[in-house]
Amino acid sequence: DARVTQTPRDKVTEMGQEVTMRCQPILGHNTVFWYRQTMMQGLELLAYFRNRAPLDDSGMPKDRFSAEMPDATLATLKIQPSEPRDSAVYFCASGLYQIGGRSNEQFFGPGTRLTVL
Amino acid sequence: EDQVTQSPEALRLQEGESSSLNCSYTVSGLRGLFWYRQDPGKGPEFLFTLYSAGEEKEKERLKATLTKKESFLHITAPKPEDSATYLCAARGETSGSRLTFGEGTQLTVNP
Repeated sequence: DARVTQTPRDKVTEMGQEVTMRCQPILGHNTVFWYRQTMMQGLELLAYFRNRAPLDDSGMPKDRFSAEMPDATLATLKIQPSEPRDSAVYFCASGLYQIGGRSNEQFFGPGTRLTVL
Repeated sequence: EDQVTQSPEALRLQEGESSSLNCSYTVSGLRGLFWYRQDPGKGPEFLFTLYSAGEEKEKERLKATLTKKESFLHITAPKPEDSATYLCAARGETSGSRLTFGEGTQLTVNP
């Protein structure tokens, strides 16, 4: 059963600390997305990658957030330094983009619940 | 800018009471309208993709339909296990792979 996995599932940290979230996309998917979900803002796209290259990171605060794909099986989202306003659930999603194809479905992981005190 | 609006925000139904959820979208050149289901503490679960007006898709008690301005998620004879938040998202021709999500409709089905 192919699924997106994320670690950790829960993270509580102090303001100013570095936070790293990890995602393993579905094997064979070439596009990886990072979202943030809060009660106030709903689901917001932070960044996405295709074939490990960043395509759009316009939703991400550049001064403290960074996203990378060290290899095809791992995506990371890092916050340094973390602030209380970063408290949210962070989702990773993956999908398969094919030139000329219609399929644009994104499959979500279970999320990382981040609390910054 | 792409916009997606869902209504109602919350809906309570009795088991067996059919209803519809609405998703209005403003997107330049629709390239896909997506429905997801999200249970508390979990990630959104993909349900349907619709691409063109008039298209319909069904899965168990759910049927999604699409017009040029709206999509509806029809729930026929719902059961308590259908309780969840239903999210609608749209992708436009200028969006790349970016989806614009609505705020969701929280559905509660009482036994």
